[in-house]
Amino acid sequence: RKEVEQDPGPFNVPEGATVAFNCTYSNSASQSFFWYRQDCRKEPKLLMSVYSSGNEDGRFTAQLNRASQYISLLIRDSKLSDSATYLCVAGRTGNQFYFGTGTSLTVIP
Amino acid sequence: DGGITQSPKYLFRKEGQNVTLSCEQNLNHDAMYWYRQDPGQGLRLIYYSQIVNDFQKGDIAEGYSVSREKKESFPLTVTSAQKNPTAFYLCASRVAGNNQPQHFGDGTRLSIL
Repeated sequence: RKEVEQDPGPFNVPEGATVAFNCTYSNSASQSFFWYRQDCRKEPKLLMSVYSSGNEDGRFTAQLNRASQYISLLIRDSKLSDSATYLCVAGRTGNQFYFGTGTSLTVIP
Repeated sequence: DGGITQSPKYLFRKEGQNVTLSCEQNLNHDAMYWYRQDPGQGLRLIYYSQIVNDFQKGDIAEGYSVSREKKESFPLTVTSAQKNPTAFYLCASRVAGNNQPQHFGDGTRLSIL
């Protein structure tokens, strides 16, 4: 079983839509969680960390559910520039980080 | 500018040849990492280092070697023992401590000639 699993999509949504991605992690020892954005043939860029109480950054909201071992990312009022692949990451102590394979999002005009 | 610099951006390897990918950071980060990304796949950890002169194998270390002689530098050598080296190689670094994210260089694309 993979450490981190994501629905690969693709998600094709119209501009202005709200879209949500989920990601599950298998190891309950995971302690830190992040969402990254990766554009085609580029490096991943940090979108946001995910905190236990949930956190928001503009149009983006991240949630963590430790009991069910999943994290989520909600994007409101989607923009064309949000089109990318979104990677979720779970980290353990000892500097090990596990990446999901990514969820592809295309925002359509 | 502060950041993580990877070079070269593109690299071609001949059969039986070792090649070295450079990663330098001026962020004063303690930990550094090397990942490999294949098309349509997630990042897989090759090696990581938490302090100078110390490093650990990741999930796919076979055919690769690293060194960490300076805090700011973590070069990766792809040896001839790595039979399928064609991939996108990403270097990352982070401040030590829980909940600290990794930051990535812009990657090196390695191909076989």
